[in-house]
Amino acid sequence: DAGVIQSPRHEVTEMGQEVTLRCKPISGHDYLFWYRQTMMRGLELLIYFNNNVPIDDSGMPEDRFSAKMPNASFSTLKIQPSEPRDSAVYFCASSHRTSVQQYFGPGTRLTVT
Amino acid sequence: TQLLEQSPQFLSIQEGENLTVYCNSSSVFSSLQWYRQEPGEGPVLLVTVVTGGEVKKLKRLTFQFGDARKDSSLHITAAQPGDTGLYLCAGNNAGKSTFGDGTTLTVKP
Repeated sequence: DAGVIQSPRHEVTEMGQEVTLRCKPISGHDYLFWYRQTMMRGLELLIYFNNNVPIDDSGMPEDRFSAKMPNASFSTLKIQPSEPRDSAVYFCASSHRTSVQQYFGPGTRLTVT
Repeated sequence: TQLLEQSPQFLSIQEGENLTVYCNSSSVFSSLQWYRQEPGEGPVLLVTVVTGGEVKKLKRLTFQFGDARKDSSLHITAAQPGDTGLYLCAGNNAGKSTFGDGTTLTVKP
């Protein structure tokens, strides 16, 4: 298995632009998580899905952030409009319902100038 | 909010030394995990502990879950440069994980 796949690996954009981050979870996994990691705040859970349904989005910072999971093999995290304070590494992770172990993707490093 | 505090925040030691890092919370967790993260990569699971008082060993790494399932420790014996990385603990409840801020370990050859 290729593991969790994220794209792009790096994204540099200007303030006000729309940013879309993509994730392909491990095949057969029921849960998908989006995290944000910064030096100041560490690793924060933004939202997670179970069987493509959003379960808890209480970590989404504000309405500029949205996430979708149209099918079991694809999810997106969108920021519109982006702001410099959104600069961080965004991780996607997936897990199987029988285990709490999460498998993380390599992350997308987002820089908003 | 369930908070996990890790200490120390940074640790720099020589190869061959022993070390212990801690993960503490006021909340009870159904399970707790330790991850290691290397630069430019996502965290990778090292171990999951479930039972209060549980001790698990993974080669030179020893993990302990507190009796009350609120805290945990990671002990590394004879550290090696390959152990360098960010060590994260994560407490789990109802399918949701809360991560600590991590301990950045540097092992110098």
